Amino acid sequence: QSALTQPPSASGSPGQSVTISCTGTSSDVGAYNFVSWYQQHPGKVPKLLIFEVNKRPSGVPDRFSGSKSGNTASLTVSGLQAEDEADYYCSAHGGSNNFYVFGSGTKVSVL
Amino acid sequence: EVQLVQSGGGLVQPGGSLRLSCVASGFSLSSYEINWVRQAPGKGLEWLSYNYVDGSPPKYANSVKGRFTASRDSPRNSVFLQMSSLTAEDSATYYCAREMLACGGDCYDLWGQGILVTVSS
Repeated sequence: QSALTQPPSASGSPGQSVTISCTGTSSDVGAYNFVSWYQQHPGKVPKLLIFEVNKRPSGVPDRFSGSKSGNTASLTVSGLQAEDEADYYCSAHGGSNNFYVFGSGTKVSVL
Repeated sequence: EVQLVQSGGGLVQPGGSLRLSCVASGFSLSSYEINWVRQAPGKGLEWLSYNYVDGSPPKYANSVKGRFTASRDSPRNSVFLQMSSLTAEDSATYYCAREMLACGGDCYDLWGQGILVTVSS
């Protein structure tokens, strides 16, 4: 299974917005509305931010939003805060041959 | 407290085997699909296995198919990952992760603490 493609890094100043892309294929990201996003701080366990493209679990601030167009999903972090500095991973369902697949990960820096 | 507690990691020689455990507390594992995910040092997340609630055969990533076996023991509220024919490329922190209810797929809302597996002679 090939990882979904994410930019290695992204950055923004406090208060700004940053958008991270997650590019797959018509067999995974483009095929199903099963795209999730996870945040992972160094040495910590990943945390679910977004599921089913644009839904937020209870407790996740609405500064985090998700969307999808074709084979590319996106995570936008609005109103950047220092604690948003972390690694972010997308994941998608890829059907029977590629059941689940993670993205390559994006390191977000808050300048 | 609702949590997943992992055990069983450690140092193993190339070609060896290891069994990871993931015990649930505060909820019944029998109601949840469980995934196994790993992360090599300094690298990204890699999905490994999906364990159905209804007993259907688990799904595996190609990288571990035929070498890893996921199972569950409902009375012990536990899931396991039996790993064999291990190579250095299997060295990683391994996580069990609970799939959130009312989610269509790949929504892991609860993770184990992670357990380190090192394959080395």
